[in-house]
Amino acid sequence: QVQLVQSGAEVREPGASVKVSCQASGYSFTGYYIHWVRQAPGQGLEWMGRINPKSAGTVYARKFQGRVTMTRDTSINTAYMELHGLIYDDTAVYYCGRSCGDITCPLHFDYWGQGALVTVSS
Amino acid sequence: EIVLTQSPGTLSLSPGERATLSCRASQSVSSSYLTWYQQKPGQAPRLLIYGASRRDTGVPDRFSGSGSGTDFTLTISRLEPEDFAVYYCQHYGSSLWTFGQGTKVEIK
Repeated sequence: QVQLVQSGAEVREPGASVKVSCQASGYSFTGYYIHWVRQAPGQGLEWMGRINPKSAGTVYARKFQGRVTMTRDTSINTAYMELHGLIYDDTAVYYCGRSCGDITCPLHFDYWGQGALVTVSS
Repeated sequence: EIVLTQSPGTLSLSPGERATLSCRASQSVSSSYLTWYQQKPGQAPRLLIYGASRRDTGVPDRFSGSGSGTDFTLTISRLEPEDFAVYYCQHYGSSLWTFGQGTKVEIK
């Protein structure tokens, strides 16, 4: 069965970076986009960007351009999201999600990771 | 960049009642890329409806989606206790994905 398993909770100081992983199983990793979505405490969902595991091509939301890096390692079916220059407002649960990677398909997120809490605290 | 506005922010209803949730886009969007998710506390979102009106596998038929252009609706025909949650609409367009701010359906 399809699974996206994320790394655990992290605590970082302001100004630091954090790298969250998302390991995929149960499907062809290079056949689907991996997206990153975050949710601050008590707030809504915010799309950060996506990576095409086949080509490593990325698209980032404007808000995060210059501060986020999405990568993948196809040998272990894992995608990564690294956020730099952390501020207190980056405290959130970070989710990975999967969508098909072709505009001929609906492009919704059909599977999600369990989420990883990132806390920015001094 | 398209903005999705959901209303109301909170819907207070009793089990068995009908829930009607709205998602309005700042400009006309393709219904092929309009999606609804359900999220319960402490859980990842769950796909409910894609392509504006297509239920995902296993989603009860009390959930239905409709709409086109700028106005989309998620309807829950008869609320069950497990339906009290937050619902988000989402859209894909021009290589970007966008979420609405969510509607919380709470028990009255």
